[in-house]
Amino acid sequence: EADIYQTPRYLVIGTGKKITLECSQTMGHDKMYWYQQDPGMELHLIHYSYGVNSTEKGDLSSESTVSRIRTEHFPLTLESARPSHTSQYLCASSDEVLTSSGANVLTFGAGSRLTVL
Amino acid sequence: DQQVKQNSPSLSVQEGRISILNCDYTNSMFDYFLWYKKYPAEGPTFLISISSIKDKNEDGRFTVFLNKSAKHLSLHIVPSQPGDSAVYFCAASAGNDMRFGAGTRLTVKP
Repeated sequence: EADIYQTPRYLVIGTGKKITLECSQTMGHDKMYWYQQDPGMELHLIHYSYGVNSTEKGDLSSESTVSRIRTEHFPLTLESARPSHTSQYLCASSDEVLTSSGANVLTFGAGSRLTVL
Repeated sequence: DQQVKQNSPSLSVQEGRISILNCDYTNSMFDYFLWYKKYPAEGPTFLISISSIKDKNEDGRFTVFLNKSAKHLSLHIVPSQPGDSAVYFCAASAGNDMRFGAGTRLTVKP
């Protein structure tokens, strides 16, 4: 059973439309992330949040914005979609529980695949 | 600036044989390395990790080896099973900074 949910899973939309990709987690994690991945390419961090009312931009420049009003909810918004925004968007969360080796593990949602025509 | 590289986009092995997936990194500040597995239409899931102070970590059929001097790590799966067919992502972290490779698609043939 998934603990982090992304909707919509697939979206085809026209240029200029406003879209919001939803991400919710039920684990109570403070840290949440948005990654963008193009086919055959690495995941790029575009936004992250370390808690309510905290949001930061990642290492990949993005025209999207995020908000974190509630711990469990981290939506991503594109005010005016363009074909260059076509990609897969992965939401993830983490807490301070570490693996046996000490690594901090991300839990990912199933992703939202966006196509802008 | 791609700090984590998986140079093999795909790998095909026979069931029961060993699968070896490779990963190279450039940033010597990385202190943890992780492997994630991704099935189609699902998000990546954590598989195994290793600290930079170790050179090997084993979990059942999965073993990760780290060669710090070469800035290279590998994931060994033995014996490989058809259910292991997936895309495997290598990741490296330094503090709150985590970088991912582009993934290697593993196909295990029955």
